[in-house]
Amino acid sequence: GAGVSQTPSNKVTEKGKYVELRCDPISGHTALYWYRQSLGQGPEFLIYFQGTGAADDSGLPNDRFFAVRPEGSVSTLKIQRTERGDSAVYLCASSSEGESTDTQYFGPGTRLTVL
Amino acid sequence: AQKITQTQPGMFVQEKEAVTLDCTYDTSDPSYGLFWYKQPSSGEMIFLIYQGSYDQQNATEGRYSLNFQKARKSANLVISASQLGDSAMYFCAMREMNSGYSTLTFGKGTMLLVSP
Repeated sequence: GAGVSQTPSNKVTEKGKYVELRCDPISGHTALYWYRQSLGQGPEFLIYFQGTGAADDSGLPNDRFFAVRPEGSVSTLKIQRTERGDSAVYLCASSSEGESTDTQYFGPGTRLTVL
Repeated sequence: AQKITQTQPGMFVQEKEAVTLDCTYDTSDPSYGLFWYKQPSSGEMIFLIYQGSYDQQNATEGRYSLNFQKARKSANLVISASQLGDSAMYFCAMREMNSGYSTLTFGKGTMLLVSP
């Protein structure tokens, strides 16, 4: 596709449940990033993939959060035993490592609400 | 210390006027990039403009320009001839090239409202 896509656009779940959020990067982009944006804040980094491997997962808040990118394209962010504090917009971005500026292009986000 | 500071929670401007959104940054890395993104109410982050730390000239992209003052560690966004569609949240972000990370650090944003 032309841009980064994310599904679902909205997800409402109950405390304690498991959720998966999907990101489709721009075709050909080798780098993929997940960010989390809480209300009134700027996005905060979660994890960065270069190809299939997680090059930096230092932003994941705890071991309930996990992400994969098995074929180096689509990525899934997985949250186990969701808590109300996980409610936020989860943004995915991709970039072409070949660009000197390495500009990150963002998807529309998934709004997660944990009741 | 905050790596990116945006001191203006909100700004108002009239249509066709110019507006400056402030951003200061903190890094010891000599090689870094500064980005501005626009986030309308729809939620998508839209890339506007980029400035590299070694760039000699201020970046410009259409009505957007970046007033880069390296010694002051500031990278203010200037929007000329504001339009109603410019109403949105604006985020300043930085990438430190030599840290080994490719991630962006964002400020808290500035809400811009453009009135007719």
